[in-house]
Amino acid sequence: GAGVSQSPSNKVTEKGKDVELRCDPISGHTALYWYRQSLGQGLEFLIYFQGNSAPDKSGLPSDRFSAERTGGSVSTLTIQRTQQEDSAVYLCASSTSTGGYEQYFGPGTRLTVT
Amino acid sequence: DQQVKQNSPSLSVQEGRISILNCDYTNSMFDYFLWYKKYPAEGPTFLISISSIKDKNEDGRFTVFLNKSAKHLSLHIVPSQPGDSAVYFCAASAIGGNKLVFGAGTILRVKS
Repeated sequence: GAGVSQSPSNKVTEKGKDVELRCDPISGHTALYWYRQSLGQGLEFLIYFQGNSAPDKSGLPSDRFSAERTGGSVSTLTIQRTQQEDSAVYLCASSTSTGGYEQYFGPGTRLTVT
Repeated sequence: DQQVKQNSPSLSVQEGRISILNCDYTNSMFDYFLWYKKYPAEGPTFLISISSIKDKNEDGRFTVFLNKSAKHLSLHIVPSQPGDSAVYFCAASAIGGNKLVFGAGTILRVKS
């Protein structure tokens, strides 16, 4: 498909384990964003990649969270030593330009930490 | 510190009537505003946007109004259809910014 894809769609993990979430942006989109949505909350910005520039990590909630974007395309969000408060839907979005204009979202990964 | 607020968690409207969803913001640096629609188990999809230099933008049944002095925007859907039932998120972007700041969303239910 031509849209943003994310995998897995659902992930259940035990507290203390590490998890990796994957995002494939729309081909040709230079900007990639990660957000999370906790229950009853809006989307919370986590991290932003633009081309080869250093990522904007200002939204990452702790040093247990990290993300990479390889080859300017696929991105992986890693959460180490997961905690129950990490349970949320993690959403990836991509866009053709900076400035926050029209971002195209994937379906999300629902993470449940037990 | 919620910079974008959607104070109505839910709204119920009869099919054919107008739906009005409201959004308030606090950051005067925001210069671009967007509405996203989200169905269950799907990612948000872009609906309509407005630049701070305008006070109205219309696209078919959807119109967004911006009142900069009141730091308030609203989304009007006329006429409302059952397929419009979804969660609607208001989002804002600051000048030169690279991320969207979202409200908590409003669940719209259109009854047939």
